[in-house]
Amino acid sequence: KQEVTQIPAALSVPEGENLVLNCSFTDSAIYNLQWFRQDPGKGLTSLLLIQSSQREQTSGRLNASLDKSSGRSTLYIAASQPGDSATYLCAAFSNSGYALNFGKGTSLLVTP
Amino acid sequence: KAGVTQTPRYLIKTRGQQVTLSCSPISGHRSVSWYQQTPGQGLQFLFEYFSETQRNKGNFPGRFSGRQFSNSRSEMNVSTLELGDSALYLCASSLAGENYGYTFGSGTRLTVV
Repeated sequence: KQEVTQIPAALSVPEGENLVLNCSFTDSAIYNLQWFRQDPGKGLTSLLLIQSSQREQTSGRLNASLDKSSGRSTLYIAASQPGDSATYLCAAFSNSGYALNFGKGTSLLVTP
Repeated sequence: KAGVTQTPRYLIKTRGQQVTLSCSPISGHRSVSWYQQTPGQGLQFLFEYFSETQRNKGNFPGRFSGRQFSNSRSEMNVSTLELGDSALYLCASSLAGENYGYTFGSGTRLTVV
């Protein structure tokens, strides 16, 4: 059974800092890994999708990497802004099951 | 283009009642999945449908069921509601699943009293 862990559970940084969110998974047989953002009481917004054959994806100030052999993914946020404050979730899509396995998320607060 | 639409946004039900939630996927998407989100358990997979066929079901009791129609719209039903069913129910759609990533709706907030 795929287990996904996110560290840290919560993070508070001043505006302008670069930061890294970590995600680890136990089963390396994944199709892809997707990072989401969730604002309080809202649905999930997809940030980046990394296919199993890729090592990283970039979108604006966001960069996500994937290392299947070590079972790890990182989300790098450059020059953080207060509007980045949200919960960030990673989800692994495994070779069987047609299901996303989610971590518990990292709650990010960026202070002005 | 329109995103994933879930209705209703909020529901309050009494224990023992049943409830039906609806999800309209992005046009052209044939895979629809349902997830339950609670503060304690996080996001848990309920089931996934593709072209009206359930391809997988999560570890939930039989009170939770779903279906997908020929136009890819999906419904999930929860019978004999319990207090612990209070949660945010999220629907996600994908072109076909595996390699295309998922787009989520805004969710239905179900409160059981």
